Amino acid sequence: GAVVSQHPSRVICKSGTSVKIECRSLDFQATTMFWYRQFPKQSLMLMATSNEGSKATYEQGVEKDKFLINHASLTLSTLTVTSAHPEDSSFYICSAITGAGQPQHFGDGTRLSIL
Amino acid sequence: AQSVSQHNHHVILSEAASLELGCNYSYGGTVNLFWYVQYPGQHLQLLLKYFSGDPLVKGIKGFEAEFIKSKFSFNLRKPSVQWSDTAEYFCAVNAPSGTYKYIFGTGTRLKVLA
Repeated sequence: GAVVSQHPSRVICKSGTSVKIECRSLDFQATTMFWYRQFPKQSLMLMATSNEGSKATYEQGVEKDKFLINHASLTLSTLTVTSAHPEDSSFYICSAITGAGQPQHFGDGTRLSIL
Repeated sequence: AQSVSQHNHHVILSEAASLELGCNYSYGGTVNLFWYVQYPGQHLQLLLKYFSGDPLVKGIKGFEAEFIKSKFSFNLRKPSVQWSDTAEYFCAVNAPSGTYKYIFGTGTRLKVLA
C-alpha cells in the first residue's frame, strides 16, 4: 500500500518551455503532498507543501511564480516549472502523507533536463 | 533552525561487516525521526521510524536505529550487511509541533562489496 506515482520520469526540453509534473497517490488519499528538489550528491530540499484545495506553502527562496503547484484533489498534485531554464535542471521528487504524523511516501522522481 | 547531519558521506564495506551510520539533529523539542533508503534507480523507501516509546527501533531488512535524546542522535545499524544493501541512506527529522515537513540529512552512500 501507500504507492505514489510520479509522471513523467524524465523530461528533456528546450529553454523557455513550461513543464508539468504530476504526482498521484494511487491507493490512498493524501491530505498533504510535498515537492522536493535534489541536486547531485546533495540532500532533498523541500520546495513547497501542497494541501488539497488550498494554496501551496513555499519554502524560503523558492519562486512561487516559477514553480506553480496545484493540488486539485486528494490524489493529485502537479508542479509546473514555468519558462524553464538550464538552471532549473534537476531531479524533482514528490511525496504524500495519509495524515498528521504519518511517514511520507515518495514517488520515483522526475529528472528534468533543460537544454 | 532545524538541521540534520550525516557524518559519513561514503561508506564501503565487505559483506557480513557491521554497519553504523551516524545521524545527528538540532532541535530542542519533540521530534519524529526516520531513516529512508534509496536503492539505485528506485524511490525513497521507509526503513524505520521513531515516534515515541522504546528508543531502539527495529525496521525492515534487519536494520535498527537507536534514539539517544541526550546526544540528539538516531544512528542506523545493521549487524551484517549484504551486497543488496548497497544504496543511499537518508536520515530525516520531523517536528510534530510544526508542519509535516521533513528536514533531510545529506545522505550516506553505502557500497557493499561482494
